[in-house]
Amino acid sequence: KAGVTQTPRYLIKTRGQQVTLSCSPISGHRSVSWYQQTPGQGLQFLFEYFSETQRNKGNFPGRFSGRQFSNSRSEMNVSTLELGDSALYLCASSFGSGGHYEQYFGPGTRLTVT
Amino acid sequence: AQRVTQPEKLLSVFKGAPVELKCNYSYSGSPELFWYVQYSRQRLQLLLRHISRESIKGFTADLNKGETSFHLKKPFAQEEDSAMYYCALNGGSQGNLIFGKGTKLSVKP
Repeated sequence: KAGVTQTPRYLIKTRGQQVTLSCSPISGHRSVSWYQQTPGQGLQFLFEYFSETQRNKGNFPGRFSGRQFSNSRSEMNVSTLELGDSALYLCASSFGSGGHYEQYFGPGTRLTVT
Repeated sequence: AQRVTQPEKLLSVFKGAPVELKCNYSYSGSPELFWYVQYSRQRLQLLLRHISRESIKGFTADLNKGETSFHLKKPFAQEEDSAMYYCALNGGSQGNLIFGKGTKLSVKP
């Protein structure tokens, strides 16, 4: 089974620009979640998508948005980048049915805003 | 407020010693808790969920609602257990996780 893939792996952007990150989940997983990881704040939940619908959103400004396509691939977008958006962005795909649950994380996209 | 606290940033033990990684949570409903592990240069991975009541790689964790704790334990630590461990709380749906700041476990030979 192919793992969760994220593209690009590294990205350098300038303040004010926008960026789009992509996540391809495990085949058969319909839930995709995004997290921001920084040294100061740790891992923080951004949003979760299930079957193309945003199911939950974390406490982030409206500059952070996302979407999910019919093939479960997901993208997140950050507009008007700020220096504080520099972070590792992780996505995870999951599947749960009855007592069975599995969740896998991608390698992350390292975003640097200068 | 929903919160997960891991009081120790770093825990260092010798090989063969018992290890306990502490996790306390704050949640008004019925909590669903997880432990995640990240080995050096590897992806974050799910270690165990309290619902499944499994023992993974010798680790167990018991939910104590009275003490609002979900400590991770292993009777005999191995060097390969050295990693970053995160406790997380389900904040309302499958992927909505509230993470603690993590504890770095170092197992010395």
